Amino acid sequence: SQTIHQWPATLVQPVGSPLSLECTVEGTSNPNLYWYRQAAGRGLQLLFYSVGIGQISSEVPQNLSASRPQDRQFILSSKKLLLSDSGFYLCAWSGPGANVLTFGAGSRLTVL
Amino acid sequence: QKEVEQDPGPLSVPEGAIVSLNCTYSNSAFQYFMWYRQYSRKGPELLMYTYSSGNKEDGRFTAQVDKSSKYISLFIRDSQPSDSATYLCAMSEGSWGKLQFGAGTQVVVTP
Repeated sequence: SQTIHQWPATLVQPVGSPLSLECTVEGTSNPNLYWYRQAAGRGLQLLFYSVGIGQISSEVPQNLSASRPQDRQFILSSKKLLLSDSGFYLCAWSGPGANVLTFGAGSRLTVL
Repeated sequence: QKEVEQDPGPLSVPEGAIVSLNCTYSNSAFQYFMWYRQYSRKGPELLMYTYSSGNKEDGRFTAQVDKSSKYISLFIRDSQPSDSATYLCAMSEGSWGKLQFGAGTQVVVTP
Protein backbone atom coordinates (compact mmCIF):
# COMPACT_ATOMS: atom_id res chain seq x y z
CA SER A 1 0.00 0.00 0.00
CA GLN A 2 1.03 3.58 -0.52
CA THR A 3 1.96 5.94 2.30
CA ILE A 4 2.97 9.57 2.40
CA HIS A 5 5.27 11.07 5.00
CA GLN A 6 5.71 14.74 5.72
CA TRP A 7 8.02 16.51 8.18
CA PRO A 8 8.51 18.38 10.37
CA ALA A 9 5.00 18.34 11.82
CA THR A 10 5.41 21.68 13.55
CA LEU A 11 7.80 24.52 12.93
CA VAL A 12 8.24 27.96 14.49
CA GLN A 13 10.59 30.20 12.56
CA PRO A 14 11.62 33.88 12.77
CA VAL A 15 10.95 36.24 9.91
CA GLY A 16 13.80 36.16 7.42
CA SER A 17 14.92 32.62 8.24
CA PRO A 18 15.04 29.82 5.64
CA LEU A 19 12.52 27.00 5.35
CA SER A 20 12.63 23.41 4.21
CA LEU A 21 9.65 21.06 4.38
CA GLU A 22 10.06 17.54 3.09
CA CYS A 23 7.63 14.98 1.76
CA THR A 24 8.16 11.41 0.60
CA VAL A 25 5.80 8.83 -0.87
CA GLU A 26 6.25 5.09 -0.52
CA GLY A 27 4.72 2.21 -2.41
CA THR A 28 4.36 3.78 -5.82
CA SER A 29 6.45 5.05 -8.71
CA ASN A 30 6.24 8.26 -10.71
CA PRO A 31 3.51 9.86 -8.59
CA ASN A 32 2.19 13.35 -9.21
CA LEU A 33 3.17 15.43 -6.17
CA TYR A 34 1.55 18.56 -4.80
CA TRP A 35 2.06 21.22 -2.16
CA TYR A 36 -1.06 22.89 -0.79
CA ARG A 37 -1.35 25.59 1.86
CA GLN A 38 -4.27 26.03 4.22
CA ALA A 39 -4.56 29.42 5.89
CA ALA A 40 -6.74 29.79 8.97
CA GLY A 41 -10.44 29.72 8.03
CA ARG A 42 -9.69 29.30 4.36
CA GLY A 43 -9.69 26.47 1.91
CA LEU A 44 -6.66 24.73 0.56
CA GLN A 45 -4.68 26.56 -2.09
CA LEU A 46 -2.47 24.73 -4.55
CA LEU A 47 1.07 26.11 -4.48
CA PHE A 48 3.14 23.72 -6.62
CA TYR A 49 2.80 20.43 -8.42
CA SER A 50 5.18 18.08 -10.15
CA VAL A 51 4.61 15.29 -12.63
CA GLY A 52 8.21 14.07 -12.67
CA ILE A 53 11.75 14.46 -11.35
CA GLY A 54 13.00 18.01 -11.75
CA GLN A 55 9.68 19.27 -13.12
CA ILE A 56 7.89 21.92 -11.05
CA SER A 57 4.80 23.98 -11.88
CA SER A 58 3.95 27.00 -9.75
CA GLU A 59 0.33 27.96 -9.32
CA VAL A 60 0.70 31.23 -7.45
CA PRO A 61 3.50 33.81 -7.26
CA GLN A 62 5.02 33.81 -3.82
CA ASN A 63 8.03 33.67 -1.57
CA LEU A 64 8.29 29.88 -1.77
CA SER A 65 9.88 27.39 -4.14
CA ALA A 66 9.64 23.64 -4.64
CA SER A 67 11.99 20.96 -5.84
CA ARG A 68 11.75 17.28 -6.69
CA PRO A 69 15.22 15.79 -6.49
CA GLN A 70 14.01 12.19 -6.54
CA ASP A 71 10.95 10.41 -7.92
CA ARG A 72 9.15 10.17 -4.59
CA GLN A 73 10.58 13.22 -2.79
CA PHE A 74 9.10 16.70 -2.83
CA ILE A 75 10.61 19.66 -0.97
CA LEU A 76 9.13 23.07 -0.21
CA SER A 77 11.64 25.83 0.50
CA SER A 78 12.07 29.49 1.19
CA LYS A 79 15.22 31.58 1.49
CA LYS A 80 13.61 34.22 3.71
CA LEU A 81 10.30 33.64 5.44
CA LEU A 82 7.61 36.32 5.69
CA LEU A 83 4.89 36.59 8.31
CA SER A 84 2.36 35.81 5.60
CA ASP A 85 4.01 32.41 5.02
CA SER A 86 2.47 31.10 8.25
CA GLY A 87 -0.03 28.31 7.65
CA PHE A 88 -0.66 24.61 7.40
CA TYR A 89 1.28 23.06 4.53
CA LEU A 90 0.06 19.83 3.04
CA CYS A 91 1.88 17.52 0.70
CA ALA A 92 -0.26 15.26 -1.46
CA TRP A 93 0.06 12.73 -4.22
CA SER A 94 -1.99 11.16 -6.96
CA GLY A 95 -1.23 8.72 -9.70
CA PRO A 96 -0.44 5.01 -10.05
CA GLY A 97 -2.41 3.07 -7.47
CA ALA A 98 -4.55 6.00 -6.36
CA ASN A 99 -5.97 8.44 -8.89
CA VAL A 100 -7.59 10.51 -6.18
CA LEU A 101 -5.58 13.06 -4.22
CA THR A 102 -4.17 11.70 -0.95
CA PHE A 103 -2.74 14.05 1.66
CA GLY A 104 0.00 13.79 4.21
CA ALA A 105 -0.48 14.77 7.84
CA GLY A 106 0.65 18.34 7.24
CA SER A 107 3.30 20.72 8.58
CA ARG A 108 2.19 23.66 10.68
CA LEU A 109 4.44 26.67 10.16
CA THR A 110 4.36 29.72 12.39
CA VAL A 111 6.50 32.66 11.38
CA LEU A 112 7.15 35.15 14.19
CA GLN B 1 -16.21 35.88 -6.27
CA LYS B 2 -14.64 32.62 -5.16
CA GLU B 3 -14.88 29.68 -7.54
CA VAL B 4 -16.18 27.45 -4.76
CA GLU B 5 -18.40 28.71 -1.96
CA GLN B 6 -18.97 26.77 1.24
CA ASP B 7 -20.60 27.91 4.47
CA PRO B 8 -17.93 27.70 7.22
CA GLY B 9 -20.44 26.86 9.98
CA PRO B 10 -20.11 25.67 12.65
CA LEU B 11 -22.99 23.29 12.13
CA SER B 12 -24.09 21.66 15.38
CA VAL B 13 -26.38 18.63 15.34
CA PRO B 14 -27.45 16.05 17.93
CA GLU B 15 -26.19 12.49 17.63
CA GLY B 16 -28.31 10.45 15.23
CA ALA B 17 -29.43 13.44 13.14
CA ILE B 18 -28.80 13.89 9.43
CA VAL B 19 -25.99 16.28 8.56
CA SER B 20 -26.51 18.23 5.35
CA LEU B 21 -23.56 20.00 3.75
CA ASN B 22 -23.35 21.80 0.45
CA CYS B 23 -21.16 23.84 -1.88
CA THR B 24 -21.86 26.03 -4.86
CA TYR B 25 -19.46 26.77 -7.66
CA SER B 26 -19.17 29.04 -10.64
CA ASN B 27 -16.96 27.12 -13.09
CA SER B 28 -19.17 25.04 -15.39
CA ALA B 29 -16.10 23.08 -16.55
CA PHE B 30 -15.78 21.26 -13.23
CA GLN B 31 -16.39 17.55 -13.74
CA TYR B 32 -14.89 15.83 -10.70
CA PHE B 33 -16.36 16.48 -7.27
CA MET B 34 -14.96 15.32 -3.97
CA TRP B 35 -15.66 15.55 -0.29
CA TYR B 36 -12.81 15.44 2.22
CA ARG B 37 -13.00 15.16 5.99
CA GLN B 38 -10.38 16.92 8.09
CA TYR B 39 -9.94 16.39 11.80
CA SER B 40 -8.29 19.15 13.79
CA ARG B 41 -4.60 19.55 12.95
CA LYS B 42 -4.65 16.61 10.54
CA GLY B 43 -4.47 16.26 6.79
CA PRO B 44 -7.74 15.91 4.85
CA GLU B 45 -8.90 12.40 4.01
CA LEU B 46 -11.06 11.58 1.02
CA LEU B 47 -14.62 10.56 1.83
CA MET B 48 -16.27 10.35 -1.56
CA TYR B 49 -15.85 11.43 -5.13
CA THR B 50 -18.24 11.61 -8.05
CA TYR B 51 -17.88 12.30 -11.72
CA SER B 52 -20.38 14.63 -13.40
CA SER B 53 -23.95 14.75 -12.12
CA GLY B 54 -25.81 12.21 -10.02
CA ASN B 55 -25.87 10.54 -6.64
CA LYS B 56 -23.42 8.24 -4.93
CA GLU B 57 -23.92 6.38 -1.69
CA ASP B 58 -21.32 4.82 0.60
CA GLY B 59 -22.57 3.56 3.93
CA ARG B 60 -23.93 6.50 5.91
CA PHE B 61 -22.67 9.02 3.33
CA THR B 62 -24.49 10.23 0.23
CA ALA B 63 -23.02 12.68 -2.26
CA GLN B 64 -25.14 14.52 -4.80
CA VAL B 65 -24.06 16.64 -7.74
CA ASP B 66 -26.38 18.93 -9.69
CA LYS B 67 -24.31 20.44 -12.49
CA SER B 68 -27.26 22.39 -13.88
CA SER B 69 -27.48 24.32 -10.61
CA LYS B 70 -23.72 24.18 -9.90
CA TYR B 71 -24.50 22.72 -6.51
CA ILE B 72 -23.13 19.71 -4.64
CA SER B 73 -24.23 18.15 -1.38
CA LEU B 74 -23.07 15.65 1.19
CA PHE B 75 -25.46 13.96 3.59
CA ILE B 76 -24.38 12.04 6.67
CA ARG B 77 -27.05 9.78 8.16
CA ASP B 78 -27.15 8.63 11.75
CA SER B 79 -24.42 11.09 12.69
CA GLN B 80 -21.96 10.13 15.40
CA PRO B 81 -19.71 12.24 17.65
CA SER B 82 -16.79 10.81 15.65
CA ASP B 83 -18.18 12.62 12.60
CA SER B 84 -17.25 15.92 14.25
CA ALA B 85 -14.73 17.43 11.85
CA THR B 86 -14.37 19.96 9.08
CA TYR B 87 -15.77 18.85 5.74
CA LEU B 88 -14.19 20.24 2.60
CA CYS B 89 -15.69 20.11 -0.84
CA ALA B 90 -13.30 20.05 -3.77
CA MET B 91 -13.65 19.95 -7.51
CA SER B 92 -11.62 19.98 -10.70
CA GLU B 93 -11.98 20.25 -14.43
CA GLY B 94 -10.13 17.06 -15.23
CA SER B 95 -7.20 16.58 -12.89
CA TRP B 96 -7.27 14.45 -9.78
CA GLY B 97 -4.65 16.64 -8.18
CA LYS B 98 -5.32 20.24 -9.16
CA LEU B 99 -8.38 20.84 -7.05
CA GLN B 100 -10.36 23.92 -6.09
CA PHE B 101 -11.44 23.65 -2.48
CA GLY B 102 -14.20 25.25 -0.50
CA ALA B 103 -13.30 26.85 2.81
CA GLY B 104 -14.72 23.88 4.73
CA THR B 105 -17.71 23.49 7.06
CA GLN B 106 -17.07 22.65 10.70
CA VAL B 107 -19.50 20.03 11.97
CA VAL B 108 -20.09 19.28 15.63
CA VAL B 109 -22.15 16.23 16.58
CA THR B 110 -23.19 16.38 20.21
CA PRO B 111 -23.93 13.18 22.22
